[in-house]
Amino acid sequence: EIVMTQSPATLSVSPGERATLSCRASQSVSSNLAWYQQKPGQAPRLLIYGASTRATGIPARFSGSGSGTEFTLTISSLQSEDFAVYYCQQYNNWPPSFLTFGGGTKVEIK
Amino acid sequence: QLQLQESGSGLVKPSQTLSLTCAVSGGSISSGGYSWSWIRQPPGKGLEWIGYIYHSGSTYYNPSLKSRVTISVDRSKNQFSLKLSSVTAADTAVYYCASFGGSRFDGAFDIWGQGTMVTVSS
Repeated sequence: EIVMTQSPATLSVSPGERATLSCRASQSVSSNLAWYQQKPGQAPRLLIYGASTRATGIPARFSGSGSGTEFTLTISSLQSEDFAVYYCQQYNNWPPSFLTFGGGTKVEIK
Repeated sequence: QLQLQESGSGLVKPSQTLSLTCAVSGGSISSGGYSWSWIRQPPGKGLEWIGYIYHSGSTYYNPSLKSRVTISVDRSKNQFSLKLSSVTAADTAVYYCASFGGSRFDGAFDIWGQGTMVTVSS
């Protein structure tokens, strides 16, 4: 089982500032990593897949990087609508035999 | 564009079987190479993958739930289903149906239902 660990659990950021979220896998997942944004009462929304490819309609201020076991989601200039919980998810292999999510990082207004 | 909508009982008694259905609209469940999945989220907690059915019909389940889970597809109704047996209070959660694949060979969930709350209580 691949365990995904996200840090920090909570990130306090002022609007307009840069936010950097981390995700670590317990073993290599190559670039088979996705990031999601979830707002209260809503389903998660896919932001990034393949570790660095933005999903359709996702603003350029969201960027993903990393491979292997260390990954980063960067929000270059936080907008009011970006305050939410962010999850990473691995999907190693094809078809994936096991998918796991990280515990989430809550981005809150400082 | 594909859309998903969950339905089913919102209240299940302990030891009984939870049954949910996800209706697919905007396309055929049999085309496009999509895989169909269930994910849950206990109140105030993170996301847990339950399992999925590959477009070929093969199923993959979370080992922690495998003994209690069945995911199936009803192509005539363009929907897929989740059955979770012997439920306890720990199974109380928002249950999402979601899909991945299509034109991409990756397991990122790009289509989600709105979610349905299921409470296990007597």
